[in-house]
Amino acid sequence: DGGITQSPKYLFRKEGQNVTLSCEQNLNHDAMYWYRQDPGQGLRLIYYSQIVNDFQKGDIAEGYSVSREKKESFPLTVTSAQKNPTAFYLCASSINRAITEAFFGQGTRLTVV
Amino acid sequence: GDSVTQMEGPVTLSEEAFLTINCTYTATGYPSLFWYVQYPGEGLQLLLKATKADDKGSNKGFEATYRKETTSFHLEKGSVQVSDSAVYFCALSDPSTGANSKLTFGKGITLSVRP
Repeated sequence: DGGITQSPKYLFRKEGQNVTLSCEQNLNHDAMYWYRQDPGQGLRLIYYSQIVNDFQKGDIAEGYSVSREKKESFPLTVTSAQKNPTAFYLCASSINRAITEAFFGQGTRLTVV
Repeated sequence: GDSVTQMEGPVTLSEEAFLTINCTYTATGYPSLFWYVQYPGEGLQLLLKATKADDKGSNKGFEATYRKETTSFHLEKGSVQVSDSAVYFCALSDPSTGANSKLTFGKGITLSVRP
């Protein structure tokens, strides 16, 4: 079945460590997105990529980094510079930049202790 | 810039009650509008969408009509079930932003349905 896979579902890290969240899709979509979800704040866009080897900052990119070396993969690294990294992270994809529908993964809950 | 405003929550209803969740938007061009649903601990699923004015999206008994004159996309269901308990997000994508097209979300509203 086609879809988006995020792994792991739960992730625990010590403060000051970098951590990478995985996002893979087999939908042959050009565009991929990372969102952060916090209680009462909805979804906020971290980074997005509309084509391989290209990506743009979203609204809250500070403390995060991404790469898009393959069409199907868009990993997100949460660096030690991110002041409040504990959150629920959602990856999404759409067929191209003209979004008629976005598909979401199951999310990764990151807890930094 | 583009924005989506949803009514404040949470909302608690009894089973079989009528549901309305308000959503209004601000956009530069002619956006597509979406309702997404999130069940506990999961990602978002598309519930319904509308791509032009006066379109009605519908799915699983939910409906929403794209009202350009009032810039609204209110979600309705005639008779809610316990299984409808979830968080609901209104969203838009604005193709007039061209290369920067992306989904803009409202803050979401939690719906709880009592048996």
